[in-house]
Amino acid sequence: AQRVTQPEKLLSVFKGAPVELKCNYSYSGSPELFWYVQYSRQRLQLLLRHISRESIKGFTADLNKGETSFHLKKPFAQEEDSAMYYCALPSGGSYIPTFGRGTSLIVHP
Amino acid sequence: DTGVSQNPRHKITKRGQNVTFRCDPISEHNRLYWYRQTLGQGPEFLTYFQNEAQLEKSRLLSDRFSAERPKGSFSTLEIQRTEQGDSAMYLCASSLIGGGGTEAFFGQGTRLTVV
Repeated sequence: AQRVTQPEKLLSVFKGAPVELKCNYSYSGSPELFWYVQYSRQRLQLLLRHISRESIKGFTADLNKGETSFHLKKPFAQEEDSAMYYCALPSGGSYIPTFGRGTSLIVHP
Repeated sequence: DTGVSQNPRHKITKRGQNVTFRCDPISEHNRLYWYRQTLGQGPEFLTYFQNEAQLEKSRLLSDRFSAERPKGSFSTLEIQRTEQGDSAMYLCASSLIGGGGTEAFFGQGTRLTVV
């Protein structure tokens, strides 16, 4: 069965520090992976997807099929990056988005 | 606002009462999802519609839950005989499958509290 694992519930860093939010997945086939973000009092929204291979708000994520990982990285965290981050994987032939439990990122001034 | 819209935003109900939530997806989207989210968890899939057809239901969706999407437009999620364990945020999302991507667009959710 497809599964997304985010091992950290909370990640706390200081402004300017590097950030890495971990995501591991289990999937039979070629996965399409996403990172969603939810800022305080806002709706869940897409941050980036691996197939577009782009950097959004300074964040990047590389799909590592050997390690079945899709970690989200940013070299210099900003206070406005504080949010809940969810890794997601469209599951099965129906492509139903399946989410990890989320990691709360807190960036201190 | 052309995003996904959910009503009501908050609902407090007594145990045993029935509640109904509404979701208006992005108009051209053919797929609509319902999720439930509890504290400390990510969104958990409940059910989805492709146009007006309900194609899959999660094991989480007990017999007390029913969802409809008449005419393939808005959707309703009804919970009958609510229980305290039903207290959660109920999220609706829509997407355009076949349009080149599988990104889901979420509404702001309906927070249900069963007292």
